[in-house]
Amino acid sequence: EDQVTQSPEALRLQEGESSSLNCSYTVSGLRGLFWYRQDPGKGPEFLFTLYSAGEEKEKERLKATLTKKESFLHITAPKPEDSATYLCAVQGEYSSASKIIFGSGTRLSIRP
Amino acid sequence: EPEVTQTPSHQVTQMGQEVILRCVPISNHLYFYWYRQILGQKVEFLVSFYNNEISEKSEIFDDQFSVERPDGSNFTLKIRSTKLEDSAMYFCASSVGTEVSQFFGPGTRLTVL
Repeated sequence: EDQVTQSPEALRLQEGESSSLNCSYTVSGLRGLFWYRQDPGKGPEFLFTLYSAGEEKEKERLKATLTKKESFLHITAPKPEDSATYLCAVQGEYSSASKIIFGSGTRLSIRP
Repeated sequence: EPEVTQTPSHQVTQMGQEVILRCVPISNHLYFYWYRQILGQKVEFLVSFYNNEISEKSEIFDDQFSVERPDGSNFTLKIRSTKLEDSAMYFCASSVGTEVSQFFGPGTRLTVL
């Protein structure tokens, strides 16, 4: 069964304190791995898509990396506005219009 | 920047009533999806839609649910007879293709009393 596990569940950092969020996945035939940001009461906001092991993507203070079994979201020198829940999701080879399977997310809190 | 829009933002209904949730996907997107998120839980896939028909649906998407693209811009989710356990945030999403990013709307919070 395809599965996405994120750790830690919650992470509290001081402003400027860099860290990484982990996403472990099991999927039959990875089509893509996605990172989203979700603020309370809002929809997931797209951040990155990764397709193959070794791929990296960057956006401002965020960098996503991918291996055959996991993905990391690295946050460098975070600011309070980076506080949100970060969701990892995978898309496998299910059908012609593939669903995304989400993890439970990591709640990130950045203290000023 | 183009975005997915959803209406209403909050819907309150009585158990057993029908509700229709509306979405306007990004205009050049061809694939449409509905997901839901029960408070404190994961985002769950409900259904995908392409070329005016359902491509895939989850076990949650039973006979009480239906989707429709009534015109060239709207995409709707209908729940025929709501249950208490249907209370959740419902997100619409769209994508250009199947192996690319899905863009989500802001959601409709459905409360069933």
